[in-house]
This record gives sequence, C-alpha cells and structure tokens, in this order.
Amino acid sequence: DVKVTQSSRYLVKRTGEKVFLECVQDMDHENMFWYRQDPGLGLRLIYFSYDVKMKEKGDIPEGYSVSREKKERFSLILESASTNQTSMYLCASTTGVSYEQYFGPGTRLTVT
Amino acid sequence: RKEVEQDPGPFNVPEGATVAFNCTYSNSASQSFFWYRQDCRKEPKLLMSVYSSGNEDGRFTAQLNRASQYISLLIRDSKLSDSATYLCVESTSGTYKYIFGTGTRLKVLA
Repeated sequence: DVKVTQSSRYLVKRTGEKVFLECVQDMDHENMFWYRQDPGLGLRLIYFSYDVKMKEKGDIPEGYSVSREKKERFSLILESASTNQTSMYLCASTTGVSYEQYFGPGTRLTVT
Repeated sequence: RKEVEQDPGPFNVPEGATVAFNCTYSNSASQSFFWYRQDCRKEPKLLMSVYSSGNEDGRFTAQLNRASQYISLLIRDSKLSDSATYLCVESTSGTYKYIFGTGTRLKVLA
C-alpha cells in the first residue's frame, strides 16, 4: 500500500511567517506534487518535482517555493504567509508509469 | 470553457438506486483519465482509472467517450457509504500535469 504522509493535519500561522509543509512517500515514486484545494476551485497545482532537486512550477506558484533533497521527501515553503494562503494543502506522488496519484491526508493551514 | 467540467450536484439518491455522473474535458490530447472519491475534509482517493475500453470494479463502471470528450461513472446499488464528492481527473501523458474537476457531490439517502 502506498503511503503518503504530511507533517501536520492542522496549522495556524501568522501573516508574514515562513511556513514549511513536509511530505514523505514510502513507495520510491519519482514524481511528487503540491496542490491547494479551495471551495469551488478544485485542486490547483502549485509545484511538482519529477526527480531529486528537479522542480517545475504549476499553475499558482507565486508566494511558494519547494525543496526536494531526497527522493521520498518534498517540502512546500510559504516564504511570507498571507491570509489568502489559507487553504487545504495536499501532497501527492506517482510513479509516472501508471499515472495514478496517491495523496497525503492534507494540511489545513490557517493564516491569521 | 473549463478544462474539466462536472455538475457540482448534489445528487440525492435513495439507497439501492443507480446513479451516473458525466465529466467533460476540453483537451483532445488527454491520455489518462481517473475518478477519485473525496470524503468531507479528507484527501482524494483513487476510485478507478478509466481505460478506452471502459473499466468495471464491482458496482462501479467507468466509460470514456473520446468522440464527445467525456467520461462517465456509473454506480449501481448505491450504499450510504457511497456519499462523497467524486472528482474527475485528466492527464496528458508526458506532461505530469493533472487537471481536476471541481467534483460532483453524491448523497445516498436511507
């Protein structure tokens, strides 16, 4: 069974803080993704990574950066949190062969 | 036009009913299609992939219609536990880009 874990289920941060969201997968998947999900907007891709130290911007990368130093770990960084970054953040991984994505449980981030 | 469109619902159906959802996509180059199920405040979970020849898994059947650019999900003999939001996803191979619909909400009523 694929397992994708995220460091926190709920997080409350203040405006301007630097925020780190961690994601770890245990299935040796090459590709990892960060999405945010907002009501009425669905899942939107922030960044994805197809290999260690490789990353590509998704549809809404502004205000975010990522780090992938090890194959199993993909971190999302909010450089200076703002209230419009309050959202559910979902990490996913896939082998790139079957293209089936597996999601972590999500981090519900509130920025006050 | 949105890349992937779904009727948001909710679809309210009695237990035991058959219900079908459609999802239209705009990219004719799309190669891979999926249905995910998402429970309230939880992560999406893969329900099934959608193959050109169709795909059946127990009470669930998925179909792909390339000519009309839509995929469908049929649920037979609905259970209370089927209540969830169903997300349609398409991907163009080689791009690692997945486009998600905003979901169709299903409520199965006792």
